[in-house]
Amino acid sequence: QVQLQESGPGLVEPSETLSLTCAVSGASVSSISWWTWIRQPPGKGLEWIGEISNSGITKYNPSLESRLTISLDKSKNQFSLKLISVTAADTALYYCAKNGGFDMLYWGRGTLVTVSS
Amino acid sequence: EIVLTQSPGTLSLSPGERATLSCRASQSISSNYLSWYQQTPGQAPRLLIYGASNRATGIPDRFSGSGSGTDFALTISRLEPEDFAVYYCQQFGLSSYTFGQGTKLEIK
Repeated sequence: QVQLQESGPGLVEPSETLSLTCAVSGASVSSISWWTWIRQPPGKGLEWIGEISNSGITKYNPSLESRLTISLDKSKNQFSLKLISVTAADTALYYCAKNGGFDMLYWGRGTLVTVSS
Repeated sequence: EIVLTQSPGTLSLSPGERATLSCRASQSISSNYLSWYQQTPGQAPRLLIYGASNRATGIPDRFSGSGSGTDFALTISRLEPEDFAVYYCQQFGLSSYTFGQGTKLEIK
């Protein structure tokens, strides 16, 4: 059974860097698949952040691309997100997911990140 | 960016009734790239439908998806109490994904 678990600081100061990790169990990040980050501001809808393939190819939301890096750590079976220069608009519940085909089949429970001083 | 517009924003129905949720794309998309998710309070979204009309594993057959081009729909044939939730459509196109803004299905 595929399980994903997000982790990282729950509070980030404005202009700093948001860093999250998604630990994967029940599947290998080296297997053919795409691994995705999605976020949901409190009380709002879902926003696709970006994804990374098992071979390290990345695709990013154009609105975030200039601030975003998604990476893969095959030795730890996890993938990560870094978002620089954060503002209050980046406050959200951040989910990681494993793609099925062109959909997100398995989801983590999400981790809330608040941007505030 | 392909914009998905869902309607209605809120749908009020009773258990046992039929629900039809709409998702319209700003340009034509492949049916292969259209999915539907259900989100209940405090939970991560759950994949219901992929490829516009294919039920994900474990999804009851009262859920069905249809459509092509720019117009897609999710139908729930007979509403169960656990079906009252928020539903999102999602598409892949132009090398990125977008979600609709969601339809809240509430108990009348």
